[in-house]
Amino acid sequence: GENVEQHPSTLSVQEGDSAVIKCTYSDSASNYFPWYKQELGKGPQLIIDIRSNVGEKKDQRIAVTLNKTAKHFSLHITETQPEDSAVYFCAASMKTDKLIFGTGTRLQVFP
Amino acid sequence: DTAVSQTPKYLVTQMGNDKSIKCEQNLGHDTMYWYKQDSKKFLKIMFSYNNKELIINETVPNRFSPKSPDKAHLNLHINSLELGDSAVYFCASSLGLGGDTGELFFGEGSRLTVL
Repeated sequence: GENVEQHPSTLSVQEGDSAVIKCTYSDSASNYFPWYKQELGKGPQLIIDIRSNVGEKKDQRIAVTLNKTAKHFSLHITETQPEDSAVYFCAASMKTDKLIFGTGTRLQVFP
Repeated sequence: DTAVSQTPKYLVTQMGNDKSIKCEQNLGHDTMYWYKQDSKKFLKIMFSYNNKELIINETVPNRFSPKSPDKAHLNLHINSLELGDSAVYFCASSLGLGGDTGELFFGEGSRLTVL
């Protein structure tokens, strides 16, 4: 079926520490893996994405890694700041032309 | 200025009523979507339209009827509202069609509360 699992559901870190969120997907045809950040009262916003022909992508403090064989991909945030506090969603494209979202991770960064 | 705008932001209504949520995008995108986010924050696709044509229609009760008068607008009409329809409904748009088409631009959401 079309499924994206995301862990953990909540994550609390101290400011300056790293945070890692992991996702697995079911469709071996998936080729696009975006990550979205949703702040309170707002719609989700794309923060980084990766395609299946790349194993890793970095943008300042944010990086995403992809393991196609294991159907895993992860978001890494380094030097976390209080403004990183939000709900993060992974997603994966499906061969049915849909983008399926993971179940979300609520990240809290404590000063 | 707002790329994807939806109205109303909040909607409180009684069971059995009919209500509509409107969405407009000024990005020139071809594809628009409705997503439902429940109280656990799960984001589920309901519908997608490409150039006014229905592309994705998930297993959504037929009380939900989307309408796209042109490619910049996608409205959602809900008949005979039920308690379980309470959620935040997000409109989104993307340049192309398909799950791998690139960035989805979301509106700010419309919080529907059914009493």
